Amino acid sequence: AQRVTQPEKLLSVFKGAPVELKCNYSYSGSPELFWYVQYSRQRLQLLLRHISRESIKGFTADLNKGETSFHLKKPFAQEEDSAMYYCALSGSGGYQKVTFGTGTKLQVIP
Amino acid sequence: NAGVTQTPKFQVLKTGQSMTLQCAQDMNHEYMSWYRQDPGMGLRLIHYSVGAGITDQGEVPNGYNVSRSTTEDFPLRLLSAAPSQTSVYFCASRHRQFGYTFGSGTRLTVV
Repeated sequence: AQRVTQPEKLLSVFKGAPVELKCNYSYSGSPELFWYVQYSRQRLQLLLRHISRESIKGFTADLNKGETSFHLKKPFAQEEDSAMYYCALSGSGGYQKVTFGTGTKLQVIP
Repeated sequence: NAGVTQTPKFQVLKTGQSMTLQCAQDMNHEYMSWYRQDPGMGLRLIHYSVGAGITDQGEVPNGYNVSRSTTEDFPLRLLSAAPSQTSVYFCASRHRQFGYTFGSGTRLTVV
């Protein structure tokens, strides 16, 4: 079974402070990991894929297979970063179903 | 290029009524899925499809049916609505090499 755990329901940080949103996963094979963001009452948008190793809106995430983690980081939080963030996992190779975590609400305090 | 289009955006049903949530994508994606989003529970997979004519169950399939007669369309049917099906429903499609593209969601209330 595949599982994604986001331990924090709410993370509050001050503007300019570093941000780390935690994501741990459980999967027996080779996983593909994603971060999605949902701004207030909008559709979910893809933020990052671990395969692409891109930095989007200043966010980065590194897949740590030893710790089975895929934490999302940003060095300096901005007010516009306030949103719900979901970590998601699928198997690699072909089409595999995607499992989401329960989400973390990031609140950036001005 | 509209992406993923969901209709309706809002719907109120009475217990026992049936309805179909529509989802269409114009990106020629093979993989499509339906999720429900509930507070504190994240997104839970209802049904998914890896291509026309192929569907499979996700985590919470009971009370829902799907079909995939074309690549573009993936409707979700509620057979006999129950208050527990009050939720926000998202349709999503995916190209093999990329993440999901989501629809704007359908907010369903069952009274």
